[in-house]
Amino acid sequence: DQQVKQNSPSLSVQEGRISILNCDYTNSMFDYFLWYKKYPAEGPTFLISISSIKDKNEDGRFTVFLNKSAKHLSLHIVPSQPGDSAVYFCAASGEAAGNKLTFGGGTRVLVKP
Amino acid sequence: EPEVTQTPSHQVTQMGQEVILRCVPISNHLYFYWYRQILGQKVEFLVSFYNNEISEKSEIFDDQFSVERPDGSNFTLKIRSTKLEDSAMYFCASSPDRPIYGYTFGSGTRLTVV
Repeated sequence: DQQVKQNSPSLSVQEGRISILNCDYTNSMFDYFLWYKKYPAEGPTFLISISSIKDKNEDGRFTVFLNKSAKHLSLHIVPSQPGDSAVYFCAASGEAAGNKLTFGGGTRVLVKP
Repeated sequence: EPEVTQTPSHQVTQMGQEVILRCVPISNHLYFYWYRQILGQKVEFLVSFYNNEISEKSEIFDDQFSVERPDGSNFTLKIRSTKLEDSAMYFCASSPDRPIYGYTFGSGTRLTVV
């Protein structure tokens, strides 16, 4: 099941620079998209979300962009901080797709001081 | 901030044994879920529970799995006869409403079947 894909398994970025994480989806019934952050031995923590009626949502250092025609979303973290080092999961949901989250495989981000 | 609490944090069991993973969702939440993550793989949906019944389940959630909300606060996942491939992190989650908007996860139970 590859309905949600994160093609970059890892990303390394210098502190203070921008981190860009990408996510693609295939199911047109998804209409809500979320990013979760996960540290080892912890559960996923909600970061930011976006509805399909928008193309951008911003919350502090985190911005999510949605390109519905391309079925693509991205998460920008600016500026990146060492504490941002974690695995980031893209997830998608939609009432027509069932009330569950479908996750991508995750991108491991390392922010170097 | 309210939390979803899972116990135990780590469970080791022999193949063929029954295990019960426990979760205490956030108190005013209405929807409850179990997800799992096999090491190095995606977080996968297992089951959702609403109004004291299963609302949706995945192919993974076969007859060996069951869920229960026995007392209005706990939410449990039972695996009747564990297999080696059941080894994974199991995450409980809950949401107040409109579950498509995402929910709060617990910190997980690491199940190791030997």
